[in-house]
Formats: sequence, C-alpha cells, structure tokens
Amino acid sequence: GNSVTQMEGPVTLSEEAFLTINCTYTATGYPSLFWYVQYPGEGLQLLLKATKADDKGSNKGFEATYRKETTSFHLEKGSVQVSDSAVYFCALSDHDNAGNMLTFGGGTRLMVKP
Amino acid sequence: DAGVTQSPTHLIKTRGQQVTLRCSPKSGHDTVSWYQQALGQGPQFIFQYYEEEERQRGNFPDRFSGHQFPNYSSELNVNALLLGDSALYLCASSLSGQPQHFGDGTRLSIL
Repeated sequence: GNSVTQMEGPVTLSEEAFLTINCTYTATGYPSLFWYVQYPGEGLQLLLKATKADDKGSNKGFEATYRKETTSFHLEKGSVQVSDSAVYFCALSDHDNAGNMLTFGGGTRLMVKP
Repeated sequence: DAGVTQSPTHLIKTRGQQVTLRCSPKSGHDTVSWYQQALGQGPQFIFQYYEEEERQRGNFPDRFSGHQFPNYSSELNVNALLLGDSALYLCASSLSGQPQHFGDGTRLSIL
C-alpha cells in the first residue's frame, strides 16, 4: 500500500535559517504530492502541491520538487520566520486525482526562534 | 466565502456511548472526506462521500459510519466508543479532483 515517511522532529531553527524537511513516499502509479501545515489548535492548510514528476510546487517562500527517481518531495525554505512555527505534513493521493484519499506522513514540528 | 465548518468543536463521551460529528463543506465542493488524527500523529483516512454514497474507505471498523446529505454536508457516526477513539476528527472537502480543504476539526475525548 501507499506510505509516506518524514524526518522526525522537532526541527529547531533560528530566524532566517534555511529549512529542509525530508519526505519520501511509496506508491503505485503516479500519485499527486502535497505539503500541508497545521498551526496549533487548527486544521490542516494546503501549503503546496505537485501532480507530476519534476513539477515544483511553491507558496509563501516554500518549495518542493516531485522527484520520481528518488520518490521524494522535500520541503525547503530559504529564510524561515517565527510565524512559520507549525507542524508540517507530507501527503500523497492515488493516481492523478488530487481529491482522492490522502495518505499522510507522521508530521514534522518546526520551531523557529527569534 | 465560508470554508469547511465542523461541529462541535469539542466533545467528551464515555466508553460505550455513540457520537455524531457534523461537517459542512466549502461552498461549491461536492466531496467530503473524514480523517482521524491521534495526538502527535498524521491524519488517517476514514472514508470519503460523493453523491451521497461512500466512495472510498480506509482501514476502520464498521463502528465508524457516515452519511452525506443532498446539500453535500456530512456526518460521521461512531458507535460503542473505545478509549482509543480519542482523537481530533478532521473533515475535508473538495471538488472534482481538486486538492482537499480541511476544517479545524472536532476534538473527541473518551473517558
């Protein structure tokens, strides 16, 4: 079956540091890939997505590239802010239907210190 | 434009009881999915409803059931509650293969 593996947290960085959160996946076919962010006491917000190999998703300074050869979708940001502190989830959906059931990784907590 | 709304926000039940959680999808969305998120873990897919029918189901027992109404809103029912059912229950809506949008969830505590 499908699975998503993320680096364990927490990840603690100083403001303006470079961020990488690793994500690898196992899936049949050609899944769509997502990063969701969860702030304390809230639901999940879609951060970015990519639907085919070599696509780069980007939003609010965050980027991730769909690498089929390494089955990875690592999240990066060049300069983090305190407001980026949250839990980040990598996820995939079956086939080409981004509305299909999502399989999530365990989440990575990011803490950014001033 | 209202997003996905869930009610109630918090709920406390005892073992063996039954619970119903409610979800109104984002305006224009026709598909509703439910997820269970245990503390410190990623969400786990329960099931998805489209056109008032269960379209996909995750690895959850029959104690978990759902319904979708003609206005696309949805309910999640859990019978014979267990301590392990304590979690944040998330509803997500989508339209025709577009990415899912999540509500803020219902926090269910079982005593």
